[in-house]
Amino acid sequence: GAGVSQSPSNKVTEKGKDVELRCDPISGHTALYWYRQRLGQGLEFLIYFQGNSAPDKSGLPSDRFSAERTGESVSTLTIQRTQQEDSAVYLCASSPPRQGGEKLFFGSGTQLSVL
Amino acid sequence: AQKITQTQPGMFVQEKEAVTLDCTYDTSDPSYGLFWYKQPSSGEMIFLIYQGSYDQQNATEGRYSLNFQKARKSANLVISASQLGDSAMYFCARSNFGNEKLTFGTGTRLTIIP
Repeated sequence: GAGVSQSPSNKVTEKGKDVELRCDPISGHTALYWYRQRLGQGLEFLIYFQGNSAPDKSGLPSDRFSAERTGESVSTLTIQRTQQEDSAVYLCASSPPRQGGEKLFFGSGTQLSVL
Repeated sequence: AQKITQTQPGMFVQEKEAVTLDCTYDTSDPSYGLFWYKQPSSGEMIFLIYQGSYDQQNATEGRYSLNFQKARKSANLVISASQLGDSAMYFCARSNFGNEKLTFGTGTRLTIIP
């Protein structure tokens, strides 16, 4: 596709359930990022994948959060045993091979609501 | 943590006027990039402008320009001739060369008044 695609666009779940969020980056983009945006707040870095390098997981808030990426393709963000404070928009972004100062291309996000 | 600070949570500006959105940053790295993104009510993040730390000139993209003052560690966004469609949240962000993850500020909500 032409842009970063995220699915689902909206997810409502019950506290304690696991959820999986999916991101399809722009073809050819080696870097992929997950960010979280709580209502009315800025973007909070979660995790960053760059090619075959080990991912930068420094932003994951707890061990309930994990992410996988298949090569330079699809990524899934998994949240286990969801809590109400996990409610937020989860944004995925990708960027092309590193040339210095690449802009990130963002998807439309997944709105997660934990009841 | 190396912070990005946006001190204006909200601004109201008359249509057609210029507006400056403030951004200051912490960094001990010599090489870094500075970005501005726009987030309208639809939620998408739209890239506006980029400034590299070694760029000699301030970046410009159409009505957007970045007032980069390296010694003061500031990277203010200037929007000339504001339009109603400029109403949105605006986020300043920084990356370090060699580690492209962006660190974002808390944003400024800009409202353009007709």
